[in-house]
Amino acid sequence: AQTVTQSQPEMSVQEAETVTLSCTYDTSESDYYLFWYKQPPSRQMILVIRQEAYKQQNATENRFSVNFQKAAKSFSLKISDSQLGDAAMYFCAYRRFTGNQFYFGTGTSLTVIP
Amino acid sequence: EAGVAQSPRYKIIEKRQSVAFWCNPISGHATLYWYQQILGQGPKLLIQFQNNGVVDDSQLPKDRFSAERLKGVDSTLKIQPAKLEDSAVYLCASSLEPGPGELFFGEGSRLTVL
Repeated sequence: AQTVTQSQPEMSVQEAETVTLSCTYDTSESDYYLFWYKQPPSRQMILVIRQEAYKQQNATENRFSVNFQKAAKSFSLKISDSQLGDAAMYFCAYRRFTGNQFYFGTGTSLTVIP
Repeated sequence: EAGVAQSPRYKIIEKRQSVAFWCNPISGHATLYWYQQILGQGPKLLIQFQNNGVVDDSQLPKDRFSAERLKGVDSTLKIQPAKLEDSAVYLCASSLEPGPGELFFGEGSRLTVL
């Protein structure tokens, strides 16, 4: 099974600053999808951003962008102009191209300091 | 569009009792997942359905956990008898196939086993 590693259990950032959350994964597959999910306290998990492995261009969604390094099997999330509402657990997830299985990392708890 | 519905939101039981959780996925989503999320950890897949067939139940503790998805729509996850270590949030998610479908999560069912 694929493994997803998030080496930063906790991170903090000053409001309006930029923070980068790290994620690495282990796979022998060449085609797959990667996701970042956000889970606010006691609220449901929602998609932040996705990346198709066959695309070289890094995905961007407003203040959220990724740095996808396929050879290094690295998929980091950058949050620019951090806001108080960004405080949450962030999970990196790997999805197989076929079979549709998802594998999650252990999460990074992000604190935004006013 | 209605989201993934789960009930109950909270359940407290004594060990060795039984409990059942219900999930109704987004209309038209063929794939349904049950995840277990222990506090401070990432979601762990328990079982994955494609329509009403099981795709992956390799991590489901089959001596106490069971799940079904009759008619390929809503699903029920049962635990009998419950153990203390079953205390967790049980997340239901669904996805649309084919393509780079993201997971859509419900709000989760929080189980406390005393």
